[in-house]
Amino acid sequence: GNSVTQMEGPVTLSEEAFLTINCTYTATGYPSLFWYVQYPGEGLQLLLKATKADDKGSNKGFEATYRKETTSFHLEKGSVQVSDSAVYFCALSGNTNAGKSTFGDGTTLTVKP
Amino acid sequence: EAQVTQNPRYLITVTGKKLTVTCSQNMNHEYMSWYRQDPGLGLRQIYYSMNVEVTDKGDVPEGYKVSRKEKRNFPLILESPSPNQTSLYFCASSFDGVYYEQYFGPGTRLTVT
Repeated sequence: GNSVTQMEGPVTLSEEAFLTINCTYTATGYPSLFWYVQYPGEGLQLLLKATKADDKGSNKGFEATYRKETTSFHLEKGSVQVSDSAVYFCALSGNTNAGKSTFGDGTTLTVKP
Repeated sequence: EAQVTQNPRYLITVTGKKLTVTCSQNMNHEYMSWYRQDPGLGLRQIYYSMNVEVTDKGDVPEGYKVSRKEKRNFPLILESPSPNQTSLYFCASSFDGVYYEQYFGPGTRLTVT
């Protein structure tokens, strides 16, 4: 079956530091890839997505590129802010088993002033 | 406002007492899904529905039932809850469950004693 592996957390950074959260996946066919963010006490919300190889998703300074050759979708941001503190989830939706979604375990990011 | 609503938000119950968690979306989405979130395990899919009257098992369906009689509603039923179903539950909806992102409800925190 499909699987998503995220880099283990938690991650603690100082404000303005560079962020990378690694995400690799295993899936048949050509899945769509997503990053979701969860703030304390809330549901998940979409951060960015990519639906085919070499696509780059971007939003609010975050970026991730769909790399089929390395089955990866790493999340990056050049300069984090305290307000970026949250839990980040990498996820995939497969087109060969439409409807099934697989999420990573989540990475908790804390940004200190 | 486009949203997914869940009720109740918090529930404490006893083993074996049937309960239903409601989920409703106002975005005319075809796809709906239920997840549970447990520490260190990320989000795991319980059931999903690609359309009215069409439901399928996710990764952890044991002990749960769902129905999709109307497009906007997707209730989660626990007919005989057990303590291992204590968790945080999220309902989500999407245009198609593959290429489009999911919109999540605020979550239902369930405790089974």
